[in-house]
Formats: sequence, C-alpha cells, structure tokens
Amino acid sequence: QVQLKESGPGLVQPSQTLSLTCTVSGFSLTSNSVHWVRQPPGKGLEWMGGIWGDGSTDYNSALKSRLSISRDTSKSQVFLKMNSLQTDDTAIYFCTTTAFAYWGQGTLVTVSS
Amino acid sequence: DVVLTQTPPTLSATIGQSVSISCRSSQSLLHSNGNTYLNWLLQRPGQPPQLLIYLVSRLESGVPNRFSGSGSGTDFTLKISGVEAEDLGVYYCVQSTHAPRTFGGGTKLELK
Repeated sequence: QVQLKESGPGLVQPSQTLSLTCTVSGFSLTSNSVHWVRQPPGKGLEWMGGIWGDGSTDYNSALKSRLSISRDTSKSQVFLKMNSLQTDDTAIYFCTTTAFAYWGQGTLVTVSS
Repeated sequence: DVVLTQTPPTLSATIGQSVSISCRSSQSLLHSNGNTYLNWLLQRPGQPPQLLIYLVSRLESGVPNRFSGSGSGTDFTLKISGVEAEDLGVYYCVQSTHAPRTFGGGTKLELK
C-alpha cells in the first residue's frame, strides 16, 4: 500500500538550513508527484512545493527564493531544503501525493536557538 | 494566488445533524482541460489530513457516503448528511487548478 514517511531534525537554529526527507513506498516517483505541505502549530495548511513525475518542480512563490525540492528515484526519496530559517518556519512538515490522496504522519520542526 | 474562503470558520453540530461547509474561490477553478480541481480534506486532532472528496464531487475510496461535494466555478459545498462522532475535526478545501496550490482557512466541526 502507499506509504510516506518524513524524517529530519526536530530542531533547527535560526538562519540555518532545514533538510527533510520523504521516503515513499507503494508507488513510483516517476509516475506521481510528491508535495510538501506545512502547518504551523494551531494554524492552517500551506502548500510549499512539489516535484512531478518528470522531475520538474513548482514552488510557492512566497518560499521560492529559499526552497529546493529534489528526489532520488532509486531510493524512493524526495528531499526538501529550505534556507534562512526563522522562528515562523516552526511547523509540522508533511509530504503528500498527487491530489493530496496520501499523507505522511508529518514531522515537527522547531526553529529556535 | 487563488484565495479560498471557507465559511463558517466553526460549526457546532449534534450527532445525526446534517451540515454544510462553503468554499468560495477568488477565481474560477475550471481548468482548461474541463476538470475542476477542488478537493476536500478532513484533519482529525493530531492526525495528518485525509482526502474525502476530489474533483468537486468524487468520493475517495473508503470514505462514507454521508459525505458529498457539489459546486462549480467559484462556489463549492461539502455536505455531511448525519454527522457522526468520528467526523469531528477541521475541514479544508484545496485547489490544484491554478499555481500555486492553495488551501482554504479551514472549518472546525465541533459537537454541540
């Protein structure tokens, strides 16, 4: 069955770079898109960006200057890198599939010194 | 960016009551290919969101048929025909017609 799992550091210092990995199973990255969505504590959902089956990417314009999404199809992994983190980047970060049909459990990232 | 406005922000219901949630878009969500990419999600406390409805009115596999979606263009509605306790949480509409994808602000369904 389709599964996604996010992994990465729980704590990042301000101005540093966040690196997250989404490991997927049950589907092919070359046939489906994977997206990153984040949710600040107690708030709503924000689409960050995605990578399509052909490897092309699309980003939320508000984050585009800081954000990079890539993948390793041989490892069934999608990567998120975002630099210049600030305290308002504290959030649960989810990876999800095309049409938001499947989601990982999310990983909480706290930006604090 | 497309703005999705959900109303009401909070909804109080009794078990068995039927309720509706509105999602209004700042632009038509009809894609040039003829599809309307408007989905509904439910996020229960402490859980990731779950897909309920896609393409406005298509029920995701495994989702109870008390959930239904309708609408076109800029106005969309999610209806729950007979709320059950497991339906409590926050409902979001999300559009994928226009880049970037955007979410509505959410509607919290509570027990009265």
